[in-house]
Amino acid sequence: QKEVEQDPGPLSVPEGAIVSLNCTYSNSAFQYFMWYRQYSRKGPELLMYTYSSGNKEDGRFTAQVDKSSKYISLFIRDSQPSDSATYLCAMSAQGGSEKLVFGKGTKLTVNP
Amino acid sequence: SQTIHQWPATLVQPVGSPLSLECTVEGTSNPNLYWYRQAAGRGLQLLFYSIGIDQISSEVPQNLSASRPQDRQFILSSKKLLLSDSGFYLCAWNEAGGGYTFGSGTRLTVV
Repeated sequence: QKEVEQDPGPLSVPEGAIVSLNCTYSNSAFQYFMWYRQYSRKGPELLMYTYSSGNKEDGRFTAQVDKSSKYISLFIRDSQPSDSATYLCAMSAQGGSEKLVFGKGTKLTVNP
Repeated sequence: SQTIHQWPATLVQPVGSPLSLECTVEGTSNPNLYWYRQAAGRGLQLLFYSIGIDQISSEVPQNLSASRPQDRQFILSSKKLLLSDSGFYLCAWNEAGGGYTFGSGTRLTVV
């Protein structure tokens, strides 16, 4: 079993839809969870950073962590064509120099 | 504010030629530095990471090496490139307790 599993998609939705992106993981020591957005031919940019279980909201984006199920989610409300990108989840057991473990990314297309 | 610079953006090199990719970070001291390679369908592969000058850890045995001659400079090198070295190379940094900040990447094609 891989440490982090993420459905690669592709996922295609109409503009305005609510998008749900998910990752599962196997290492119960993970405590720090991140979501990155990567546009084509660009480096990933940090979208959301959460510690332990719970929800975090930032504008149209909400990150959820369920450590009991080893499951994390990213919700995008009122999706826009500019949200079209690959979304990668990442996690680590420590927040310092601990190496991040990444999912392979989900490619999202929001159609106008 | 902190910034990360990575160059060149694209590179086409023949098999057997040397490689040098450079990454510099501004606005911070003693950052953790990372080199990743991203191949289609394979996600991000950690190649090297460094917690300080001349402190380099290699994750994957391969044709590449890394050096950190200065606190905020991280260099990825190869003496002889292979076709399999083609990919999208990303430099990243972070501080304790923070997420990674990535550079804009170098797309390397070995021909």
